[in-house]
Amino acid sequence: GAVVSQHPSWVICKSGTSVKIECRSLDFQATTMFWYRQFPKQSLMLMATSNEGSKATYEQGVEKDKFLINHASLTLSTLTVTSAHPEDSSFYICSASRMGHQRGTQYFGPGTRLLVL
Amino acid sequence: GESVGLHLPTLSVQEGDNSIINCAYSNSASDYFIWYKQESGKGPQFIIDIRSNMDKRQGQRVTVLLNKTVKHLSLQIAATQPGDSAVYFCAENYRTTSGTYKYIFGTGTRLKVLA
Repeated sequence: GAVVSQHPSWVICKSGTSVKIECRSLDFQATTMFWYRQFPKQSLMLMATSNEGSKATYEQGVEKDKFLINHASLTLSTLTVTSAHPEDSSFYICSASRMGHQRGTQYFGPGTRLLVL
Repeated sequence: GESVGLHLPTLSVQEGDNSIINCAYSNSASDYFIWYKQESGKGPQFIIDIRSNMDKRQGQRVTVLLNKTVKHLSLQIAATQPGDSAVYFCAENYRTTSGTYKYIFGTGTRLKVLA
């Protein structure tokens, strides 16, 4: 195994609302989860690294107050896009590394497509 | 972010032929490399990995070659099938000065398999 799920897979919301995306490792424990953003026909852009029980580490240029990350357990991390605007519309993907594998392979979730109207 | 926002190059291959997808990595300190396959609307899927103490690794129908001298990675797919049509990303992994490990993803290559 090494299955990672995301919920929801699709979300459409009005501008100004907040959206929460969940990332779960289903059959393994993940000390570290990663959140990526992907624009059409482009590569993955790392937004932040999330460690269980501690604050997330954000990449340069990513607003931590805009993209709230919580890693409450070894199997769940959430990304909340606060006060979403149309420019936040994107494909958000999470990944997880197995516990005890500090530099182990990242296993990716199926992604969440966000459309802000 | 670490990745560069460029449009994807495309490789078109006849069904049954072998495919070779190339990737140039950036950090000479990178010592772990992974190839991922991403189908439309889905998350990346692990294909094969290789550590820097190796120069070749084979999987089922796939082979990864690593040339550290020129910082080049390639993915070879034997007898390409329609189901291989996807975007392929290479990723390099290295240890930062703060002791954490970081991944950098390549720009990706779209593989189109022609019937």
